[in-house]
Amino acid sequence: GAGVSQSPSNKVTEKGKDVELRCDPISGHTALYWYRQSLGQGLEFLIYFQGNSAPDKSGLPSDRFSAERTGGSVSTLTIQRTQQEDSAVYLCASSLAISGGVSSYEQYFGPGTRLTVT
Amino acid sequence: AQSVAQPEDQVNVAEGNPLTVKCTYSVSGNPYLFWYVQYPNRGLQFLLKYITGDNLVKGSYGFEAEFNKSQTSFHLKKPSALVSDSALYFCAVRAPADSNYQLIWGAGTKLIIKP
Repeated sequence: GAGVSQSPSNKVTEKGKDVELRCDPISGHTALYWYRQSLGQGLEFLIYFQGNSAPDKSGLPSDRFSAERTGGSVSTLTIQRTQQEDSAVYLCASSLAISGGVSSYEQYFGPGTRLTVT
Repeated sequence: AQSVAQPEDQVNVAEGNPLTVKCTYSVSGNPYLFWYVQYPNRGLQFLLKYITGDNLVKGSYGFEAEFNKSQTSFHLKKPSALVSDSALYFCAVRAPADSNYQLIWGAGTKLIIKP
């Protein structure tokens, strides 16, 4: 089956413009995560969706960042009025989240979108 | 507070030698532990996990990791390193009582294997 896909793979934008990044999770995965990774650095958690529950937005760095997940599947991360410090690789991951019992909790990552703000 | 530590920013190993990438954690209860690898310009790939059972778990590419509850560690190991193992390695942990399924991530360790 297909893995997590993200588009575009690369995005160059001018400072002040809005950008939309897309994530298609693995079919059937109810949990979806967005992370940001600066060059050679660790993962910075941004936002988490689980089923129909309200998303955990605790990692969003500012109100310029927002995300939605339509129909429990595809997610879009939007950055408004981009700044140069937004330049990074944005990673999406999905996982099969089941309450109770032993299940597969590992996250499966997409290839990422490299965002460059000039 | 729950946390994961990867005490080494970088590990250098000669090809053919054994390698160890260290990870320690602090969580409530029995943890679920994971290792991921990120090759240059690639997304993260799942390597292995410990949920329950045998403390020694084997994963992809000949890697293994040992869960040590008393030392709260989950070090990644490989008996004989390959140049192609050079990558960024991340340890992650989840507390099973955590209902939101999020992983807590280490900062990553850059592994360099020299020929």
